[in-house]
Formats: sequence, C-alpha cells, structure tokens
Amino acid sequence: GAGVSQTPSNKVTEKGKYVELRCDPISGHTALYWYRQSLGQGPEFLIYFQGTGAADDSGLPNDRFFAVRPEGSVSTLKIQRTERGDSAVYLCASSLVSRSSYNEQFFGPGTRLTVL
Amino acid sequence: EDKVVQSPLSLVVHEGDTVTLNCSYEVTNFRSLLWYKQEKKAPTFLFMLTSSGIEKKSGRLSSILDKKELFSILNITATQTGDSAIYLCAVVSNNDMRFGAGTRLTVKP
Repeated sequence: GAGVSQTPSNKVTEKGKYVELRCDPISGHTALYWYRQSLGQGPEFLIYFQGTGAADDSGLPNDRFFAVRPEGSVSTLKIQRTERGDSAVYLCASSLVSRSSYNEQFFGPGTRLTVL
Repeated sequence: EDKVVQSPLSLVVHEGDTVTLNCSYEVTNFRSLLWYKQEKKAPTFLFMLTSSGIEKKSGRLSSILDKKELFSILNITATQTGDSAIYLCAVVSNNDMRFGAGTRLTVKP
C-alpha cells in the first residue's frame, strides 16, 4: 500500500514569504507527527496530532509555525514570514495509534525547504 | 533536559568490517529506544528495544539495550556499501520521541 507522502519534495522561497507543506499519512493512521531536520542533526519534534486535534504542539519553535489536520487525515504545516533559519527538511510521520502506546512511526520522504 | 547522544558522529569503514554504533540517553519516563536507518530523506525503522539485555537481530544487524547504564548499541557485521547511511537513535518517553544527531556510516568497497 501507499506510504506517507509529502508535497512538495523541494520548496525554495524568499525570506518573509509564507509556505505550506503537505503530508498525506498512511490510510487509517490516527497519529501524525511533524519533525524538522537540519543538516547534520537528527529529526526534531514539532507537533503531534491525534485525529484532528493537536495533542502536543510543544515543539513548534514560535508562533510563525502552525499546523492543521482538519479531517484527521491530511495535514498542512504552515510557516509565516519565513526566515533563513527555517531552511531544513521537514519530515512527516504517521502511526496506527496514539503516542501513549507506541507504534512504529512511518516517515515520509520529507520536504526540503530553502529560504533564500 | 532530556537528551540522546550518539557516537561516533561519523565512521568510515571498508566492506566486510564490523561496526558498533552507540546511543546513550537521559530521559524521564523512558518507554523504548528505536533505531532508524536514513539513506536519503525518510528514516526507515530498524529495531525497537524496551527491555535490557534482550538482543534484537535482523540479518547482519543486531541491537541491545542496557537500561541500567542508559545506552544501546547497534552492531552491523560484514558491512556492505549498501549499509552506508545515517543511523538514528530515538528514545520514546511519556512526553515525546527524541532523536540523537545520528551516526553517518560510510562503507567503502
């Protein structure tokens, strides 16, 4: 079956612009996660959804970052007024059930965001 | 503050060599430790470890957890060029899953 997909695969934008990154989780996975991975670092947690609600958004670095999952499936990560420091690979993962009972997270291929 | 530290940060070996990758951690409310292989963008799951002393094995890869000393190792025997990747360790607690910075393994022919 299809895995986690993310679009676009690459996004180049200018400082100050708004971007949206999309994640399509595996069908039936209720938990969805966003991570950010900078060069030479491991993925850094941003936000976790259980169904439609953001169960934990403690990893979002500031209020320029926001994510939604209105129907409990596709999620969009939104970044306002982008800064050069936002340049990274943004990874999305999904899993069958909630984080409190851990199940394997399946990762998408990521979106490489470059802010010029 | 919770932390996950991997060593070495990078490693270059030749085909056929055996490598050991290390992951140490300090987290509250530890639940499990996971190993991932990241070749291009998407990390792919290798092992999940929850109990000390029980080796998980898959082909040439094996891993073990020591919850007393708070570390795990990932062994790869008879390395192949296809093993070249970043190997990520992640620790799951009640609050989140925290990744280490990874070990970049390069296997030369």
